[in-house]
Formats: sequence, C-alpha cells, structure tokens
Amino acid sequence: DQQVKQNSPSLSVQEGRISILNCDYTNSMFDYFLWYKKYPAEGPTFLISISSIKDKNEDGRFTVFLNKSAKHLSLHIVPSQPGDSAVYFCAASGQNAGNNRKLIWGLGTSLAVNP
Amino acid sequence: DTGVSQNPRHKITKRGQNVTFRCDPISEHNRLYWYRQTLGQGPEFLTYFQNEAQLEKSRLLSDRFSAERPKGSFSTLEIQRTEQGDSAMYLCASSLVPNSPLHFGNGTRLTVT
Repeated sequence: DQQVKQNSPSLSVQEGRISILNCDYTNSMFDYFLWYKKYPAEGPTFLISISSIKDKNEDGRFTVFLNKSAKHLSLHIVPSQPGDSAVYFCAASGQNAGNNRKLIWGLGTSLAVNP
Repeated sequence: DTGVSQNPRHKITKRGQNVTFRCDPISEHNRLYWYRQTLGQGPEFLTYFQNEAQLEKSRLLSDRFSAERPKGSFSTLEIQRTEQGDSAMYLCASSLVPNSPLHFGNGTRLTVT
C-alpha cells in the first residue's frame, strides 16, 4: 500500500514557466514532509521541507504548500530552469515511525524543463 | 566537509558471492541510514543507526544482510550469498537530529549476475 503517492510519473514545462509537482498521502499521522531532487547516478538531494504546523514554506524559487485536510502537498518551482530537470521525490515521516522518523517515499515525478 | 561518501560506486558480482559496501557519513552526524532503491521506485528503508547502535531493521532486510557501525562513524552493509533480486542502488544517508533532512551519498549500484 503506497502511503505517499505521486500520481504524475512525468511533467514537461517550458523554461521560465511554473512547475507544479503534486503529492498525496494517506497516513494522517505524517507530520513532516520533504521534497528531494535526484539526478541520474546521484543520490537524492534535499530541496525543501514543511512541518504540519505550517501550510507554506518558501526557499528561493521553491515553495511547498501543504493542505492537511486534503492530505495533499505540492512543490512549485518558479521560474523553472533547464537545470531543474530531474526526478522529484516527495517523502513523509510521522510520529508512528517512532524515534527513527524514517521517511516514506513516493515513486517520483520526472520533470523536464525545455529551453 | 565532503558530504556522505559511499564506496564502491558500482559492484558487479556473481550470484552466491558476498559483497560489502562502505558508507562514510558527514562527520558530525550521529544518525546513519541505509536505503535501497530500484528503478521506478522511491528509496526503501533498510536500517538505521544512532551512533554505533543499530536501532531498527526493516522486514526487507533478510538474514543475508548485516550492517555495522562499529565506532559510530563509518558503516558497512554486507550481503551474503547474493541473489539476482538484490540488484539495486544501495543508498546511505546521515542526519544530525531527528526531523532534520537526510543527506544522501551517491549510492552503490549492485548488479548480481
């Protein structure tokens, strides 16, 4: 059972436009959410996170929005750049993960930013 | 600080052989995690250490897998009697405190033939 779902396997946008990547979760105990970016042959790189006590967190071109009632979060990239082309993973953790706070991951969305 | 380092980057082995991977975390990070990732999937948790103590192991980790972190610094992951299903990218990550982002290495890609 996939507790973190990224329903779009791929997304293509034009350079300079907004990229919106979506993530849904099913476990109401999740209270911390992260987005990672992964290039081929590299490990995931942390991008941005949000705690469940907030509904928005912004860092430069990256903004994450959290809608707890809908169990939905999204990552906005504005403006999109060709170097943003990568696979983006949504991940979540919660109190029921114990002291470990291990992350539960989505399957990823492959973003292509076209010049 | 050079980040999380994993060696080797690639390992090709024949079925039935034993393999060992090494991870050197960021030096001040006391938490170290092993994940496994296959094509088209997100990383799957395998095990984690706080300092030298292995605090949790996933059910994915069969008894052929063993991980150690003897001095609370680097860690090794050994797979005995490898099977073709073990072929995957093995990722190591470290963090300083709970709820801080994990910092990943570039992984060891294992191919079992």
